[in-house]
Amino acid sequence: KQEVTQIPAALSVPEGENLVLNCSFTDSAIYNLQWFRQDPGKGLTSLLLIQSSQREQTSGRLNASLDKSSGRSTLYIAASQPGDSATYLCAVGSSNTGKLIFGQGTTLQVKP
Amino acid sequence: NAGVTQTPKFQVLKTGQSMTLQCAQDMNHEYMSWYRQDPGMGLRLIHYSVGAGITDQGEVPNGYNVSRSTTEDFPLRLLSAAPSQTSVYFCASSFQPPSSGVMSGNTIYFGEGSWLTVV
Repeated sequence: KQEVTQIPAALSVPEGENLVLNCSFTDSAIYNLQWFRQDPGKGLTSLLLIQSSQREQTSGRLNASLDKSSGRSTLYIAASQPGDSATYLCAVGSSNTGKLIFGQGTTLQVKP
Repeated sequence: NAGVTQTPKFQVLKTGQSMTLQCAQDMNHEYMSWYRQDPGMGLRLIHYSVGAGITDQGEVPNGYNVSRSTTEDFPLRLLSAAPSQTSVYFCASSFQPPSSGVMSGNTIYFGEGSWLTVV
């Protein structure tokens, strides 16, 4: 059974710092890995999607990497800003039937 | 274009009561899903649909019922509410399966959530 874990559960950094969020999964047979952002009281917003054949994806200050062999993905946020404060969730697509398996999320606070 | 609309936003139920959470999307998406989010457990899939008339169970389907009579609507029914169903519920939709490895850029759209408390 696929399990997805995100550590740490919470992270607090000063503004301007570069940071890395971690996501690990137990079954390397995945179609893709996706990163989402969730603001308090809101739904999820898709940030980046990495296909299983890819190593990384970039969008602005965000860079996501994927290492299937080790079952790991990282989300790198450059020059963090207070507006980046949110919960970040990763999810793996373990089949082509509409099923995503989510991690528990990392709640990020960027202090001015 | 309203995206994914969920109602109600907040609801308090008594144990044993039934209710329906509504979800509607105006993007002509085939794939729709219901998740629940509990503290420390991430999102878990309850039920999903790959098109009108087709539904299937996810990880935690017990106590919930769904139907998909139109492409736009995917209601989630709680048959007899229990305190264990206190949670935040999210509806999501997309063109391709959310786990699709076929095409990049398959954005998944989420509703803003429905907070349900069962007392």
